[in-house]
Amino acid sequence: NAGVTQTPKFQVLKTGQSMTLQCAQDMNHEYMSWYRQDPGMGLRLIHYSVGAGITDQGEVPNGYNVSRSTTEDFPLRLLSAAPSQTSVYFCASSYSGTGGSYNEQFFGPGTRLTVL
Amino acid sequence: GDSVTQMEGPVTLSEEAFLTINCTYTATGYPSLFWYVQYPGEGLQLLLKATKADDKGSNKGFEATYRKETTSFHLEKGSVQVSDSAVYFCALNAFSGGYNKLIFGAGTRLAVHP
Repeated sequence: NAGVTQTPKFQVLKTGQSMTLQCAQDMNHEYMSWYRQDPGMGLRLIHYSVGAGITDQGEVPNGYNVSRSTTEDFPLRLLSAAPSQTSVYFCASSYSGTGGSYNEQFFGPGTRLTVL
Repeated sequence: GDSVTQMEGPVTLSEEAFLTINCTYTATGYPSLFWYVQYPGEGLQLLLKATKADDKGSNKGFEATYRKETTSFHLEKGSVQVSDSAVYFCALNAFSGGYNKLIFGAGTRLAVHP
């Protein structure tokens, strides 16, 4: 099992450019999510998905789009990058996001994005 | 809303010293509590968890006890090693709208020197 993989590892963009951060998991997990990590702020949830075709907004969704066409993949799109989106982005997955009990989330290695 | 507060770092210790990283939370209901660890250049890994009051989570010599009366989940280790140098995140599981979401603290960087 590769677990949760993310590409690219590093990316530099100019303001206004668009790009897609890729995330894939091979554990057949239903639940996938995207976080951004900023100094002194921990991780904040951007978007999440509880299954193919189902997505919802997290705490900081503005400027980001997601879709979930397959169980394995959950790409994050920046339509028009801004310097405020400079951050480290983590993708995570777990067996299920529903119900009252918690399922451990597994994290990818992260993508470090710089917007100039 | 639900939130997690951690002590600010960095925490700098000598090898074999005792470690405590404080974590308190605010939540409705009775969330599950977690400590995640992030080693340099890597993603987060679950270190330990506790799902109800008075539960003690433990792993790799680290321990944390779910204290409902003080809404705390402090991380402790009796003798740290250089290899424990990392960023530690306290988190809770918020269940709202039918779905589970992790809410993280800001993280505490630990540096252990030989």
